Amino acid sequence: EAGVVQSPRYKIIEKKQPVAFWCNPISGHNTLYWYRQNLGQGPELLIRYENEEAVDDSQLPKDRFSAERLKGVDSTLKIQPAELGDSAVYLCASSPYEGAETQYFGPGTRLLVL
Amino acid sequence: QKEVEQNSGPLSVPEGAIASLNCTYSDRGSQSFFWYRQYSGKSPELIMSIYSNGDKEDGRFTAQLNKASQYVSLLIRDSQPSDSATYLCAVKGGSTLGRLYFGRGTQLTVWP
Repeated sequence: EAGVVQSPRYKIIEKKQPVAFWCNPISGHNTLYWYRQNLGQGPELLIRYENEEAVDDSQLPKDRFSAERLKGVDSTLKIQPAELGDSAVYLCASSPYEGAETQYFGPGTRLLVL
Repeated sequence: QKEVEQNSGPLSVPEGAIASLNCTYSDRGSQSFFWYRQYSGKSPELIMSIYSNGDKEDGRFTAQLNKASQYVSLLIRDSQPSDSATYLCAVKGGSTLGRLYFGRGTQLTVWP
């Protein structure tokens, strides 16, 4: 069974530029999460989807961040414009259904904003 | 706002020793507790989950939960160099159902 796929794995951009991350969850997993992990910190939830509905986006900085999960499968997280403080690893995770205890993480996208 | 606190380490133990990792949490209503292992440059991987007071053993790993003290720990017996990683404590439930809160992690080094 293929795991969670993310791309790109690395991204370097200048501040004020836009950037987008893509995630393909494990097949059949209805719940998808986007986390941000700063250096030396644990992951922090940005948004959680149940199918195509965003059910928890209270931690998403909506002035510059947006996300979508069309057709309830793949998801894209966008930052526009990027700031220096956005440098972090962006992790996507999925689980089979709402309330499932195990979340499976993808390899992450390491973003560096110069 | 939930807080999950871990002793920041780094923790260094010799091969074969017991490594003890500790975590406290602020939300008394929390219901599910997890330990994730994260190798450098890799993504977190679930290694243990515990839901009721007491001990839960899985191979060389033992998770301990004390809800009255709001404390959860992970013991690694017969530590191996391959156990060297950052261990993240995570908590779920209580005031914010469905959201997983992570601590900042404890870096463990097992030296031969």
